[in-house]
Parts: sequence; C-alpha cells; structure tokens
Amino acid sequence: NAGVTQTPKFRVLKTGQSMTLLCAQDMNHEYMYWYRQDPGMGLRLIHYSVGEGTTAKGEVPDGYNVSRLKKQNFLLGLESAAPSQTSVYFCASSDRGLNGYTFGSGTRLTVV
Amino acid sequence: ILNVEQSPQSLHVQEGDSTNFTCSFPSSNFYALHWYRWETAKSPEALFVMTLNGDEKKKGRISATLNTKEGYSYLYIKGSQPEDSATYLCAFPNSGYSTLTFGKGTMLLVSP
Repeated sequence: NAGVTQTPKFRVLKTGQSMTLLCAQDMNHEYMYWYRQDPGMGLRLIHYSVGEGTTAKGEVPDGYNVSRLKKQNFLLGLESAAPSQTSVYFCASSDRGLNGYTFGSGTRLTVV
Repeated sequence: ILNVEQSPQSLHVQEGDSTNFTCSFPSSNFYALHWYRWETAKSPEALFVMTLNGDEKKKGRISATLNTKEGYSYLYIKGSQPEDSATYLCAFPNSGYSTLTFGKGTMLLVSP
C-alpha cells in the first residue's frame, strides 16, 4: 500500500521556469490537499480538492494552479517560479476530512 | 483563518522524563481536533482525531485529552525516549470541515 506518492522529491528551478508537482494516492480518498512548509510558518494550505474535477483556493494560492482530473491524482503547477516559492511542498489526502490526513513525503523546491 | 496556538514552541527533556504540551483552538462550532507527529526529514503522521469533549486517546506512551468547552487539548508523553523527538502538530477543521488549519507545532527533543 503506497499511500500518497509525490514526485519529484527535489527540484531546482530558475526564476520564471514552470513545473508541475504530481501527487498520487491509492486509498480512494475524496479529499486532496497541497501545503507548503516554511521555517517559522508551519503548514499553510495552497489549494485543495473535495472530489474529482473540483478545486478550491486555500490560504496562500497566489502563483499556483491545480487540477484534479482523476480522483487519485492532484497536480500542483507553478507557471512562472519565483524565489518566494522556495519551500517544501506536501501533498495530503483524507477520507472526506473525517479521519486524519495521510501525507506524502514532500518535495523540496528551490527557485534561484 | 482560524487561530490554532501551540505551546511551548520547543521543549528539551531528558530520557525518561514525562512531558506535556498544549493546543488551543476556537471553542465555538467544534467538530474535531487532530494531532500529528512529524519527525525530521519525514512527513507528518496522524496520531489522534478527537471529537468528544472529555475524550482521552492513547497510543503507547502518548495520550491526549480534549476540552471543547474551553478550547484546549493536551498531549502527554510518558517516559520520553529519544525516538519521541519530533514536532507535534495539532490541527482544527475550518468552516465546512473540508480543510485543516495547523498550529506551528511543538518541537520536542529528548536527550539520552
């Protein structure tokens, strides 16, 4: 049982480049989330989805886009990366929010 | 954005010490309170999801209590071990219960 898988694990981007982070879960969870973790700031919600084909903004959505075309996948896109987006990104999923979240192992992104 | 406060910010104890820390959350419209354990270089793992006032949950040497009327939860670790070193996060559901707001965590270091 893989749980939540994030790819890639590490990435270095130049300012202005684009990239997509992939999150895949095999637990048939309805809800999926993207968080970023920065020192002293804790986990902050970027975007989330409560089902296939739906997405919503979280606390810090600017500069990011997401898509949930398939229930098991939740993609996070950076169209034009900025140094302020240097962070560790965590994907998570849950069964309609009733139980604890299952987190992926994180993606460490550096924008230079 | 909900106000979820955790104290202390960090804690350093000796092996064998028992310790506890606090999570404060809005006492109105309570739905659930989550606790997570987050080891360095890993991803957060769910410990407890608490839903009832007065609830007490236990997993090994770790236990948690909940007071929804006054808006706090305590996490206790009995006889701390070095492997308990981690950041302990609490989280509270946002309106609509589809997302969580995380506290900034209590970082616990247990020295041998």
